[in-house]
Amino acid sequence: EPEVTQTPSHQVTQMGQEVILRCVPISNHLYFYWYRQILGQKVEFLVSFYNNEISEKSEIFDDQFSVERPDGSNFTLKIRSTKLEDSAMYFCASSAILDEQFFGPGTRLTVL
Amino acid sequence: DAKTTQPPSMDCAEGRAANLPCNHSTISGNEYVYWYRQIHSQGPQYIIHGLKNNETNEMASLIITEDRKSSTLILPHATLRDTAVYYCIADTSGTYKYIFGTGTRLKVLA
Repeated sequence: EPEVTQTPSHQVTQMGQEVILRCVPISNHLYFYWYRQILGQKVEFLVSFYNNEISEKSEIFDDQFSVERPDGSNFTLKIRSTKLEDSAMYFCASSAILDEQFFGPGTRLTVL
Repeated sequence: DAKTTQPPSMDCAEGRAANLPCNHSTISGNEYVYWYRQIHSQGPQYIIHGLKNNETNEMASLIITEDRKSSTLILPHATLRDTAVYYCIADTSGTYKYIFGTGTRLKVLA
C-alpha cells in the first residue's frame, strides 16, 4: 500500500540554525500539507500546497517557514532560523483530490 | 477552532464494540465528517469519512444522524491495538486544511 514517507525521523538542531524537513508524498497525489504537533498538544495545520504554490497557510506559517516541491517526488518544509518553540513533531500529508489526507510518520524536531 | 466536540476519554473492553461520539452541531450542508486516529505520536491515520449517509469500511462504521449534528464511529470488535486518540474532523469540501480538536483517548482494556 502506498504511503507518505518523511526524513529524518528525528532532527536535532541549535537555535538559529536552518532545517529542512523532507517528505515524499504518495506518487499520484496532487495536494500536499504540513502540520505540526507540539508535545501534548493538538495537531495544527501549517500550510497546504497545490500546483506549485501555497493554497492556504496558518498564522504559524510566518516568514521563517517556506515550502518547496523541488522535483517530482519531494516536498520540503524549511525553517530558516529555528526557535526553541519550533520543537515539535512535523507531519507531512498528501491527498489525491480535496479528500482524505494521508499522513506520514512525522519528523521530531528538537531545537536546543 | 475545531467545529467538533468529543469526550476526552473512553474505555472499552477488548472484543466489544467501541462507540465514539462526536458533536458537530454547526456543520454546514457540504461539510464532510472525517475520522482519524493517532497512536502514540505517530502520524494521524485515516479511518473513514461521510457526508450524510452511513458508511462502512474494513476498519469501522460511521453513523451520521439525520440532522447531521452528530456522528458515531463504531469499531465493531475493539482490540488492544485500537488504543489511540480518535479525532472527528468536520471539513468543508474544498478546503485545504483539517482543524483537529483534542479528540477522544480510547483505551481498550484486556
